Amino acid sequence: SQQGEEDPQALSIQEGENATMNCSYKTSINNLQWYRQNSGRGLVHLILIRSNEREKHSGRLRVTLDTSKKSSSLLITASRAADTASYFCATGSGGGADGLTFGKGTHLIIQP
Amino acid sequence: EPEVTQTPSHQVTQMGQEVILRCVPISNHLYFYWYRQILGQKVEFLVSFYNNEISEKSEIFDDQFSVERPDGSNFTLKIRSTKLEDSAMYFCASSALLGGNQPQHFGDGTRLSIL
Repeated sequence: SQQGEEDPQALSIQEGENATMNCSYKTSINNLQWYRQNSGRGLVHLILIRSNEREKHSGRLRVTLDTSKKSSSLLITASRAADTASYFCATGSGGGADGLTFGKGTHLIIQP
Repeated sequence: EPEVTQTPSHQVTQMGQEVILRCVPISNHLYFYWYRQILGQKVEFLVSFYNNEISEKSEIFDDQFSVERPDGSNFTLKIRSTKLEDSAMYFCASSALLGGNQPQHFGDGTRLSIL
């Protein structure tokens, strides 16, 4: 089965710095998505990148996808305290009503 | 912005009892999903639902579980004969088009505690 695994498991940086999180997966995918989860809340969709795309931007977010290496990265620029959360990558096969496969996540802490 | 809403936010149930978790997906969405997250573990896919039937289910979704869309707005997950290991956060999600190429919108979850 497809599986996203993020690294690092935890990341602590100063406000204003950039944060980079990585995700690896094992099988072919149709798309890869990144989600954020604040403590005790649901998952919030951040960005989706399709398998035929290499890079995508949304505001302060930049996502790259390397299908040859089966990996993706999420860059958050100019981090803010409100970015403190857990970040998950999720892969979809694109078949039917696609159930996503999530990784364990990266817990990001932004120090003020 | 439209939201997926889940009730209750916290459910405490005795082992062996049945529990129904409720979800109201975003109104114009067509695909519905349930996921669970055991404390400290990954979010795991349980089941997807489209056109009034199950589209895909994981190995976790065995005969103990069932889903239903009883009316035009609610989507429910029923867990029969609950076990201690069913304790988890259960998330409902919905998407507008084919889930694999569209974002899934999640509710805030129901925390299920089995005693």
